[in-house]
Amino acid sequence: QEQLVQSGGGVVQPGGSLRLSCAASGFTFHGYGVHWVRQAPGKGLEWVAFVWHDGDNKYYADSVRGRFTISKDDRKSTVHLQMDSLREDDAAVYYCAPRRDTGFMDVWGRGTTVTVSS
Amino acid sequence: EIVLTQSPATLSLSPGERATLSCRASQSISTYLAWYQQKPGQAPRLLIYHASNRATDIPARFSGSGSGTDFTLTINTLEPEDFALYYCQQRGDWPITFGQGTRLE
Repeated sequence: QEQLVQSGGGVVQPGGSLRLSCAASGFTFHGYGVHWVRQAPGKGLEWVAFVWHDGDNKYYADSVRGRFTISKDDRKSTVHLQMDSLREDDAAVYYCAPRRDTGFMDVWGRGTTVTVSS
Repeated sequence: EIVLTQSPATLSLSPGERATLSCRASQSISTYLAWYQQKPGQAPRLLIYHASNRATDIPARFSGSGSGTDFTLTINTLEPEDFALYYCQQRGDWPITFGQGTRLE
């Protein structure tokens, strides 16, 4: 069964850092790009970042560029989101989702919660 | 960035009726549009990709249409499990953007 296993969320103070991880199970990230998408409490979906299949080309939302870093490890079929200089408005459920043959996000992780509070 | 505007914000219908949801893009995105369904406490689920293609295991009562700037998600003969939030998403240009959502109640 194909699934994404997410980890790394938690509570952090403003200015702090967290590293989210997303591991593929039942399939591999090899050859696919991967997105991170977040959803603040009671709000809609916001795209955060994307890494291409090669792991080199990356895109970021303006709201996180320079603070967040996405990376891909094909050997472990894992994608990470390093989040630095966290702000209160970064608090959200973070989802990972690969871009596979459909060209869109056809499988999603269950999400991991990030809380930023002093 | 490309802004996606969904309408209506809330759609009130009954089981057995037809739902028509709209998504309008601020500039042409060809058919680079997807629709997702999200239920409370769950991750989104891909319904339609490339504007009109049903994703795997999606029932035939869900259909999508449109190209350029105007897109529609139609749900024929609503089932109780269809009452949820629906989002459109474009990948016609960076950054990826989502619509604000339509609540089907």
